[in-house]
Formats: sequence, structure tokens, C-alpha cells
Amino acid sequence: EPEVTQTPSHQVTQMGQEVILRCVPISNHLYFYWYRQILGQKVEFLVSFYNNEISEKSEIFDDQFSVERPDGSNFTLKIRSTKLEDSAMYFCASRRDRGTKNIQYFGAGTRLSVL
Amino acid sequence: DAKTTQPPSMDCAEGRAANLPCNHSTISGNEYVYWYRQIHSQGPQYIIHGLKNNETNEMASLIITEDRKSSTLILPHATLRDTAVYYCIVRVAGSGAGSYQLTFGKGTKLSVIP
Repeated sequence: EPEVTQTPSHQVTQMGQEVILRCVPISNHLYFYWYRQILGQKVEFLVSFYNNEISEKSEIFDDQFSVERPDGSNFTLKIRSTKLEDSAMYFCASRRDRGTKNIQYFGAGTRLSVL
Repeated sequence: DAKTTQPPSMDCAEGRAANLPCNHSTISGNEYVYWYRQIHSQGPQYIIHGLKNNETNEMASLIITEDRKSSTLILPHATLRDTAVYYCIVRVAGSGAGSYQLTFGKGTKLSVIP
């Protein structure tokens, strides 16, 4: 069964450093998402991406964040200068297309630890 | 998106049916009910969704009341691996060009007990 793949599973970084979280969405999917979950809190939407551009972003997704689909398979989330409060699980999700299903499939996540 | 209300936690004996309720009294006519679950800190996993008819798949059944103001997710024979947080999410299905991101609440923590 096709799945969303995220790497690395755990990323440790120093405050102020840049990190790139990587995702390989399901191959025939067209809509891509990043969510995050701070330990013990809800899963929160960060950004959605379609047709090589951001379609929507939340208040969390400030200028420190950026997304990119550098080739036909990868979808990345970059945090330019990490802060302690960026420590969280980051989940990538993808969805095939418009329609009545709107089923998003999630990856296993990347745990980001900012020290 | 309509707001949902779920109990914070439930227990279920292994092998028995787990019935997880969700209230969504402000649901509008074009909004679907989606259920996801999250096992430990893994990514959310899609379970099932429906509009107004009851639905069944290999994982679960979804019962939606006639007025659509509440629904119940049924896991027919719960196993220890079904221990997870279950999220009920109500939103439009996404036939337009919008983002249609999911809004997660706190969900119900289901503990399946041996």
C-alpha cells in the first residue's frame, strides 16, 4: 500500500540553526500538507501546497518557515532559524485530488528537538 | 467547520465492540464526518468518513443519526492495537480548489484493556 514517507525520523538541532524536513508524498497525489504537534497538544495545520504554490497557511507558518517541492517526488519544510518552541512532531500529509473523499494520508512524522 | 465534542477518554475490553460518540450539532448540509486515529505519536491514520448514510469498511463502521447532529464510530472487535486517540472531524469534502486542511480537536483516548 502506498504511503507517505518522512525523513529523518528524529532531528536534533541547536537553536538558531536551519533544518529541512523531508517528505515523499504518495506518487499520484496533488495536494500536500504540513502539520505539527507539540508534545501533549493537538495536531495543528501549518501549510498546504498545490500546483507548486502555497494554497493556505496558518498563523504559525511565519517567515521562518518555507516549503518547496524541488522535484517530482519530494516535499520539504524548511525552518530558517529554529527556536526552542519549534520542538514538535512534524507530519506531512498528501491528498489525491478534489472530490468527495478529501482523505489525507499522513506520514509517520519527524520529531524535531531544538536544544 | 462545525465544532465537534468527544469524551476525553474511554475504556473497552479486548474483543468487545468499542463505540466512540461524537456530537456535531452545528453541522451543515455539505459537511462530512471524518474519523482519524493516532496511535501513540505516530501520524494520524484515516479510518472512515460519511455524509448521512451509515458506512462500513474493513476497519470500522460509522453510524450517523438521521438529523446528522451526532455520530458513532464502532470498532466491532477491539484489540490492544486499537488503543489510540480517535478524532472526529467535520468539514466539507473539498470539491473546489481550496486547501481543506483538517482541524483536529483533543479527540477521545481509547484504552483497550486485556
